[in-house]
Amino acid sequence: DAGITQSPRYKITETGRQVTLMCHQTWSHSYMFWYRQDLGHGLRLIYYSAAADITDKGEVPDGYVVSRSKTENFPLTLESATRSQTSVYFCASSDPGTLHVDEQFFGPGTRLTVL
Amino acid sequence: LAKTTQPISMDSYEGQEVNITCSHNNIATNDYITWYQQFPSQGPRFIIQGYKTKVTNEVASLFIPADRKSSTLSLPRVSLSDTAVYYCLVVSQAGTALIFGKGTTLSVSS
Repeated sequence: DAGITQSPRYKITETGRQVTLMCHQTWSHSYMFWYRQDLGHGLRLIYYSAAADITDKGEVPDGYVVSRSKTENFPLTLESATRSQTSVYFCASSDPGTLHVDEQFFGPGTRLTVL
Repeated sequence: LAKTTQPISMDSYEGQEVNITCSHNNIATNDYITWYQQFPSQGPRFIIQGYKTKVTNEVASLFIPADRKSSTLSLPRVSLSDTAVYYCLVVSQAGTALIFGKGTTLSVSS
């Protein structure tokens, strides 16, 4: 499928388990981002990546790990899930070559519940 | 990046024009004003961006005064499907974290 996809769309897990959320984009955009969205906080950046093998922390990185071995994929791993990580997670991508400055394209989101 | 302030919520009726104003007093010379739209259970979607004066596309218009300390998103003749959260952001270059505030929740009624 063209565009940006996320999987799974819904996930229920238990405290302490490791969970990996997948993100895949077909545009070969150089930048990719992970945000979480919680009621009362809007969207907050977790991690971002400027290119393959280059990642950097965002506003709320604790408890998360990312990797980017290929340009098109940017998985987010919760090493030991906690209830506070219950949220909706959005992946996004962008590229300097797009028409608008820093226009980011968002995936459909993954709703994660940690019991 | 400059902080933005916009109303928490607005109500409208179908067919009306809706104007959402955003203030960004500390906007820098190389900053652009950008608006995103988010429907329930979906990711945000870029709708318009401008630097100064007026920008119009098939979805909305964006008015930016000369001092650029505020901007107004104008949605002509809204319909029920325009019910969404609208975010005003300031961006300066590619690859930066978008700073989303709480946005403006627009509710359109029939």
